[in-house]
Amino acid sequence: KNQVEQSPQSLIILEGKNCTLQCNYTVSPFSNLRWYKQDTGRGPVSLTIMTFSENTKSNGRYTATLDADTKQSSLHITASQLSDSASYICVVSTGGGADGLTFGKGTHLIIQP
Amino acid sequence: DSGVTQTPKHLITATGQRVTLRCSPRSGDLSVYWYQQSLDQGLQFLIQYYNGEERAKGNILERFSAQQFPDLHSELNLSSLELGDSALYFCASSVVGGGFSYNEQFFGPGTRLTVL
Repeated sequence: KNQVEQSPQSLIILEGKNCTLQCNYTVSPFSNLRWYKQDTGRGPVSLTIMTFSENTKSNGRYTATLDADTKQSSLHITASQLSDSASYICVVSTGGGADGLTFGKGTHLIIQP
Repeated sequence: DSGVTQTPKHLITATGQRVTLRCSPRSGDLSVYWYQQSLDQGLQFLIQYYNGEERAKGNILERFSAQQFPDLHSELNLSSLELGDSALYFCASSVVGGGFSYNEQFFGPGTRLTVL
């Protein structure tokens, strides 16, 4: 069964600090992996997408890495800001239709001033 | 603002009732996706429509149905509601309806359904 596991479940850090969120998956076949940011009560917004051949992708202070051999991805946030407080969701696709998506349950990140 | 609109924002109803959620995709997008997000389950894909036709089905209950109209807006119908149906329901849209590879989905603000 395809699965996406995210860790930690929740994380609290001080403003200005860096943090790394983890995503491990057992999805086959693998097509791409996407990280979403979801503010409380709002729809998810795509941060990065990576295919099998890409191992790093940046979007401002967000950097995602992918190790397709170990089936692991991480999302690194640099110099955190209060606006980074949100849930971060890892989604892995088999490349087919939307029924080929497997969602992680997300990491809830809180940035404290 | 993603350009995807959903109505209503909040809906409170009783068990056994039927409700309809509405979604208008971004201008030019042909595909509409419906998702359910509950606290303990995360995002769950329900169903996808592309240009009026059902394209993919996920974990959608038989009590739930959807359709996409000629003007491309979509409705999700939930019937015989149960307490466990309380959740956020998101609609997303994309330009094309094929593989997900670089098919960016844009999410609406969601409808929060509370079943009492």
